[in-house]
Amino acid sequence: DQQVKQNSPSLSVQEGRISILNCDYTNSMFDYFLWYKKYPAEGPTFLISISSIKDKNEDGRFTVFLNKSAKHLSLHIVPSQPGDSAVYFCAASDQGTGANNLFFGTGTRLTVIP
Amino acid sequence: DTGVSQDPRHKITKRGQNVTFRCDPISEHNRLYWYRQTLGQGPEFLTYFQNEAQLEKSRLLSDRFSAERPKGSFSTLEIQRTEQGDSAMYLCASSDRDRYTFGSGTRLTVV
Repeated sequence: DQQVKQNSPSLSVQEGRISILNCDYTNSMFDYFLWYKKYPAEGPTFLISISSIKDKNEDGRFTVFLNKSAKHLSLHIVPSQPGDSAVYFCAASDQGTGANNLFFGTGTRLTVIP
Repeated sequence: DTGVSQDPRHKITKRGQNVTFRCDPISEHNRLYWYRQTLGQGPEFLTYFQNEAQLEKSRLLSDRFSAERPKGSFSTLEIQRTEQGDSAMYLCASSDRDRYTFGSGTRLTVV
C-alpha cells in the first residue's frame, strides 16, 4: 500500500511562473516530510523539509506547505527556472516512534519551459 | 565532505550470479540506509544501520539479500542468485539526524 502519493506524474510550467507540486499521505503518524529533486542517473538531492509542528517552511524560491488535517503537502517553486526541470519526490517519516526510514511517493516530473 | 559514494555505478550480471555493492557514507554520519528504486516508482526502504548494528529490515529484503556495515563505516549489499526482478537502482543514504544524503546509486541489470 502506497502511504505517500503523488497523483500527478508530470507538470509543465512556463519559466518565471509558479510550480505547485502536490503530495498526499495516509499515515497520520508521519511527522516529518521532505522533498527531493532527482536528475537522471543521479541520486535524490534534498530540497526542503517540514516538521509536523509547522505548516509552512520557506527556503529561497522553495516553500513547502503542510495541511495536517487534509494529510496534504505541497511544494511551491517561485519563480520557476529551466534548471528546476527534474523529478520531484515527496517523502515522509514517523520520527516520533523512532522509525528511521523514509516513505516516498512515485514522483512528479516537472518541466519548466523557457 | 565528498558526499555519499557508491560503487559500481552500473552492474550488468547474468541471472543466478551474485553481486555486491559498496557504499561509503559521509564520515560523520552514523546512520546508513539502503533503498531500491524501480522504474516509475519512488525509492523503497530496504534496511538501516546505526553504526555497525543493522536495526531495521524491510520485508522487501529477501533471504537472498544481505547487508553489512563492519566497523560502522562503509556498507556492502550483496544479492545472491540474482533474478531479473532484482534489476533496479540501489541507493545508499546516510544521515546524522533529519537530513538524508543520497549517493548516486548503483544501477543493476540482470540479464
